[in-house]
Amino acid sequence: EAGVAQSPRYKIIEKRQSVAFWCNPISGHATLYWYQQILGQGPKLLIQFQNNGVVDDSQLPKDRFSAERLKGVDSTLKIQPAKLEDSAVYLCASSLARGRSYEQYFGPGTRLTVT
Amino acid sequence: QKEVEQNSGPLSVPEGAIASLNCTYSDRGSQSFFWYRQYSGKSPELIMFIYSNGDKEDGRFTAQLNKASQYVSLLIRDSQPSDSATYLCAAMEYGNKLVFGAGTILRVKS
Repeated sequence: EAGVAQSPRYKIIEKRQSVAFWCNPISGHATLYWYQQILGQGPKLLIQFQNNGVVDDSQLPKDRFSAERLKGVDSTLKIQPAKLEDSAVYLCASSLARGRSYEQYFGPGTRLTVT
Repeated sequence: QKEVEQNSGPLSVPEGAIASLNCTYSDRGSQSFFWYRQYSGKSPELIMFIYSNGDKEDGRFTAQLNKASQYVSLLIRDSQPSDSATYLCAAMEYGNKLVFGAGTILRVKS
C-alpha cells in the first residue's frame, strides 16, 4: 500500500513570497491533516479535512494560510505572504477514521526555509 | 490549552537495556494515545497506540496507560542503536485531532 505522498520535499523562498505544498493521502483515507513542525517541537495541527470538508482550522493563520481538498482526495496548503517564522516542516497525514482505526500516517514532509 | 508534556532528554541508555519514555496529558477527555518515532530529518512513524488502561505489548515495545494519573509510557526492551530517535507522544482529542508533546530524544549507546 502506497503511503502519503507530498511535494516538494524542500523549498526555499524569500519573505513575502508565496508557496504551495501538495499532498496525496493513502488511498481510501477520508481524513487528511496538515501539521506544522518547528525544529525542536512536536507537530502542531493546522487544518483537518473530512472528505472535502473542513473539520477544524482553528489553528490555521487564515490571514496568510489557506488550504483546500478538492474532490476529497488531494490537498494543497498555501502560504501567502510568507514570514520568517513560517520556516518549518509541513507534514501531511491521513487517517481511515472509521471503526477503531484512527491512527494517522504521515508523509515525508516539506521543509520550508523562508529567508 | 490542552497539553502533552514530555521530558526533552536526551535519555541515554546502553545497548540491550530497557528505555522508559514518559508522557503526561492535561485533557481528561482524551481516550486514545499514540507513540511516534521520528528520526532526524524524517517524518513521524507510528509505533503503537493504546486506549485501554494497562499495558499493550508489540514486539520489543510496551505502551502503558494510566488514565487516573493521566500518564502514558513507552518501554523499549533490548534497546538497539537503531532505536536512537525522538519519540513523540500524542493524545487524541475530540474530533480525532492529535495533540503532540515536544518529544524525548533517545540515545542508545553501543
